[in-house]
Amino acid sequence: ELKVEQNPLFLSMQEGKNYTIYCNYSTTSDRLYWYRQDPGKSLESLFVLLSNGAVKQEGRLMASLDTKARLSTLHITAAVHDLSATYFCAVDGGSTSGTYKYIFGTGTRLKVLA
Amino acid sequence: EAQVTQNPRYLITVTGKKLTVTCSQNMNHEYMSWYRQDPGLGLRQIYYSMNVEVTDKGDVPEGYKVSRKEKRNFPLILESPSPNQTSLYFCASSLSLAGVSEQYFGPGTRLTVT
Repeated sequence: ELKVEQNPLFLSMQEGKNYTIYCNYSTTSDRLYWYRQDPGKSLESLFVLLSNGAVKQEGRLMASLDTKARLSTLHITAAVHDLSATYFCAVDGGSTSGTYKYIFGTGTRLKVLA
Repeated sequence: EAQVTQNPRYLITVTGKKLTVTCSQNMNHEYMSWYRQDPGLGLRQIYYSMNVEVTDKGDVPEGYKVSRKEKRNFPLILESPSPNQTSLYFCASSLSLAGVSEQYFGPGTRLTVT
């Protein structure tokens, strides 16, 4: 069964601090996605990680993928209020697992306090 | 403009009254999908479609139907809605699952079944 687990579920942090969101998954798929959802809005793609060791950075966010550990991290550097949102990781079954489902984690609600 | 559209955006209905939520994309994407989002549960996939006339169940298909007669459209049908189908629904599309498969999401449909 494909499962994706994120932690923490809620994260309240001060502006200027660093923190990491973790995403563990059970499938053998090596494609991992991060999305952002602002309150009352739809989801938008942040990062696509396609191979072991992949690292992507955009502004204060950096995502990495360890396919051997089936773990992805989303690191936040020097948080600012504009980063307040809910972050989801997701994997797709891909052809190796025999299913083409797309599985999301439960999300991490991030609140950055001034 | 490349986009995924959903209609209606908001819908209040009564138990048992059949309804359809439309979804359309203009990006020539092969893969389309429906999700429901409920507090604390993240996004759960209802159905997905790999291409025209090819659909399969996601994790929570009970009570829903879909069809994919044209590449651009993927309607979600609730034959006999019940209160436990009250939720926020998202349609999404991606190029395919053979390669990079980041999903592009529609704006969402908030459904209330009384």
